[in-house]
Amino acid sequence: KQEVTQIPAALSVPEGENLVLNCSFTDSAIYNLQWFRQDPGKGLTSLLLIQSSQREQTSGRLNASLDKSSGRSTLYIAASQPGDSATYLCAVGEWDTGRRALTFGSGTRLQVQP
Amino acid sequence: DAGVIQSPRHEVTEMGQEVTLRCKPISGHNSLFWYRQTMMRGLELLIYFNNNVPIDDSGMPEDRFSAKMPNASFSTLKIQPSEPRDSAVYFCASSLNLGNHEQYFGPGTRLTVT
Repeated sequence: KQEVTQIPAALSVPEGENLVLNCSFTDSAIYNLQWFRQDPGKGLTSLLLIQSSQREQTSGRLNASLDKSSGRSTLYIAASQPGDSATYLCAVGEWDTGRRALTFGSGTRLQVQP
Repeated sequence: DAGVIQSPRHEVTEMGQEVTLRCKPISGHNSLFWYRQTMMRGLELLIYFNNNVPIDDSGMPEDRFSAKMPNASFSTLKIQPSEPRDSAVYFCASSLNLGNHEQYFGPGTRLTVT
């Protein structure tokens, strides 16, 4: 069974810092990996989608990398801002099981202090 | 596009009552997913549909839970009878198709069963 782990569980940084959120998964047979943002009491907003054949995706100040062989992904946030404060969730789409849905990590709660 | 629409946004009901959650996917999307989020278990897939057909319901916790998708623009998740441990936020998501496509989430329905 696929397991997704996110480290750290919580992170507090001063505004302007560059930071890295980590995601690891146990079964490398995935077809994609998606990073989401969730604000308190809100739904999930998709940030980046990386296909299994890709190594990274970029959107603005965000860069996500994928290393399937080692079962790892990182989300890099450059020049963090207070508005980046949220919970960041990593989710993988499984392949071998035929299950075409996402398995989520438990998230990293980010606080960017002004 | 209005995005994925869910109703109601909040539902408070008494144990034993029937609860029906509703979802309208993004127009043109062929795949629909129901997830549940709790503090203890995080985000879990309950069931997903493709072209209105249920593909995998292995995440449905008990027979008290059922889901339907009578047409491409509407899905329901029903709990009958409801129990306090069903209290959670229920999310609906849609994607263009199964596989390598981004999932878009609705705002969720916060269910409280007393």
